[in-house]
Amino acid sequence: NAGVTQTPKFQVLKTGQSMTLQCAQDMNHNSMYWYRQDPGMGLRLIYYSASEGTTDKGEVPNGYNVSRLNKREFSLRLESAAPSQTSVYFCASSEAGRGSYNSPLHFGNGTRLTVT
Amino acid sequence: AQTVTQSQPEMSVQEAETVTLSCTYDTSESDYYLFWYKQPPSRQMILVIRQEAYKQQNATENRFSVNFQKAAKSFSLKISDSQLGDAAMYFCAYRSGVHWSGTASKLTFGTGTRLQVTL
Repeated sequence: NAGVTQTPKFQVLKTGQSMTLQCAQDMNHNSMYWYRQDPGMGLRLIYYSASEGTTDKGEVPNGYNVSRLNKREFSLRLESAAPSQTSVYFCASSEAGRGSYNSPLHFGNGTRLTVT
Repeated sequence: AQTVTQSQPEMSVQEAETVTLSCTYDTSESDYYLFWYKQPPSRQMILVIRQEAYKQQNATENRFSVNFQKAAKSFSLKISDSQLGDAAMYFCAYRSGVHWSGTASKLTFGTGTRLQVTL
């Protein structure tokens, strides 16, 4: 059981380049999330998706777009990368709906992105 | 919006000793859930323990236990008999239980406490 799989693990971009971070889960979860982790700031939510076909902004959505391709996959796109987007990015998934909020988020192993 | 505060950026504990990591949160909700996650150098996020706000009894998982003080909005993590493998970043997180059916419930994280375990 793979859980949450993120690709790539590492990426270096030049300012202005674009890229898509891929995420897939095999736990049949409805909800998926993208967080970024920066030193001293914890994990901050970029976007999330309650279910297939819906997406919502989190705390720090500027400069990012997302696509919930199907129930399994939730991608994060940087259209024009900036040095401020240098970070570690985590995808996560969880069960959704009433009765599920004590369920934890299951995380991928993260993508370390450097923008020069 | 809910906020989670971890006031200890770094802590140190000797092997076999006990350490307590602090976490406070701010919310006007009565229905919510609290979590502690561990992040070792491998970068993996590992669930350590969870607590439902409606439960008065403090959660325990082997050497890990919490001190949940709902009125004070405090949720500290106690690690007993510390081991070298406990060295990691620890994050406290809050999840609202107040949502319409079918909506996603987000986790709000604190800034983390880096725990060092010494011999």
